[in-house]
Amino acid sequence: AQSVTQPDIHITVSEGASLELRCNYSYGATPYLFWYVQSPGQGLQLLLKYFSGDTLVQGIKGFEAEFKRSQSSFNLRKPSVHWSDAAEYFCAVGARGNEKLTFGTGTRLTIIP
Amino acid sequence: GAVVSQHPSRVICKSGTSVKIECRSLDFQATTMFWYRQFPKKSLMLMATSNEGSKATYEQGVEKDKFLINHASLTLSTLTVTSAHPEDSSFYICSAAQQLGYTFGSGTRLTVV
Repeated sequence: AQSVTQPDIHITVSEGASLELRCNYSYGATPYLFWYVQSPGQGLQLLLKYFSGDTLVQGIKGFEAEFKRSQSSFNLRKPSVHWSDAAEYFCAVGARGNEKLTFGTGTRLTIIP
Repeated sequence: GAVVSQHPSRVICKSGTSVKIECRSLDFQATTMFWYRQFPKKSLMLMATSNEGSKATYEQGVEKDKFLINHASLTLSTLTVTSAHPEDSSFYICSAAQQLGYTFGSGTRLTVV
């Protein structure tokens, strides 16, 4: 069965500092990997996704993620965070087409001035 | 881009009544939709997968008679919480599957009093 682990429940970083959110997955085949962001009381917004090809994926809002098959990881990075990046971040794994997504438990990001 | 419209965004109902939540794909046809439930500060838990024109597939532990899902057209899926109780209070989110990913609705905050 597929699973996603986000080991960091809560991360606090200073505005302007770099960020890395960790994600490890377990999946029997080639995974489709996603990062979503959720603001309080809101739905999910897709930051980026990986299906195949270049393992370094660029997303919206200056985020990027790198797929490392050998480590079963898909960590999310941003070189310089902004106060507006404070939110909950979810990593998810799925398969092609109409397969369901499995979500990690999320990482809450707090930004301090 | 693809948009899934979810309504209502918030609803308060009395115990014992039923509540219907709608998700519409606005500019594409959604053969498959997923319904998730999210508890406060928790991840998204898949409740069921609905396919247009057929019965929904429920995840283990989800009461199919309490959470009725209908996917009668390629652009509309509904979730009806029947005989609602306070423990059904939660954030419900729908998602439509597409060939290259998933589009989420903005969520419905259900409060049962």
